[in-house]
Amino acid sequence: EDQVTQSPEALRLQEGESSSLNCSYTVSGLRGLFWYRQDPGKGPEFLFTLYSAGEEKEKERLKATLTKKESFLHITAPKPEDSATYLCAVGNRDDKIIFGKGTRLHILP
Amino acid sequence: KAGVTQTPRYLIKTRGQQVTLSCSPISGHRSVSWYQQTPGQGLQFLFEYFSETQRNKGNFPGRFSGRQFSNSRSEMNVSTLELGDSALYLCASSLRGQGKDTQYFGPGTRLTVL
Repeated sequence: EDQVTQSPEALRLQEGESSSLNCSYTVSGLRGLFWYRQDPGKGPEFLFTLYSAGEEKEKERLKATLTKKESFLHITAPKPEDSATYLCAVGNRDDKIIFGKGTRLHILP
Repeated sequence: KAGVTQTPRYLIKTRGQQVTLSCSPISGHRSVSWYQQTPGQGLQFLFEYFSETQRNKGNFPGRFSGRQFSNSRSEMNVSTLELGDSALYLCASSLRGQGKDTQYFGPGTRLTVL
């Protein structure tokens, strides 16, 4: 069965303290791996799509990487406004998408 | 380019009533997916429509239904509302489908069932 596991469930960091969020997946035929950011009470905001192992994408303080079993979202020198829930999802060979439960990130000023 | 829009943004209903939610996708997107999000369960997939046909369906009871119109706009209906249906309902659109392309989400409709 296809599944996505995100860790940790929650993470508290000091402003400027870099870290990484993990997304481990088991999927039948990876079509794409997607990262989203979600603020409370709002819809998820698209961050990155990765299609193949070895691919990397960057946006401001965020960098996403992909291997055959997992993806990492690296956050460099985070600021309080980076506080949010980060969601990972994968698309499988049946064109279905499976979401992880997310990592709640809190950056302390 | 306008994003995904959802109406209404907030809704309060009582048990037993029914509700219809609307979603307008990004122009040119033919796939619309619906999700239910609750604090305990996270994002749960309801169904996906592509070119007016339901293409995928999640594990929800038949009280949850949807449709898509020729202009790709989609509606979701929940009949005989239960307290447990209180949630944030999100729709997302993509060009070719939820597993193939990046999905873009709307702001959601917050449904409260009393």
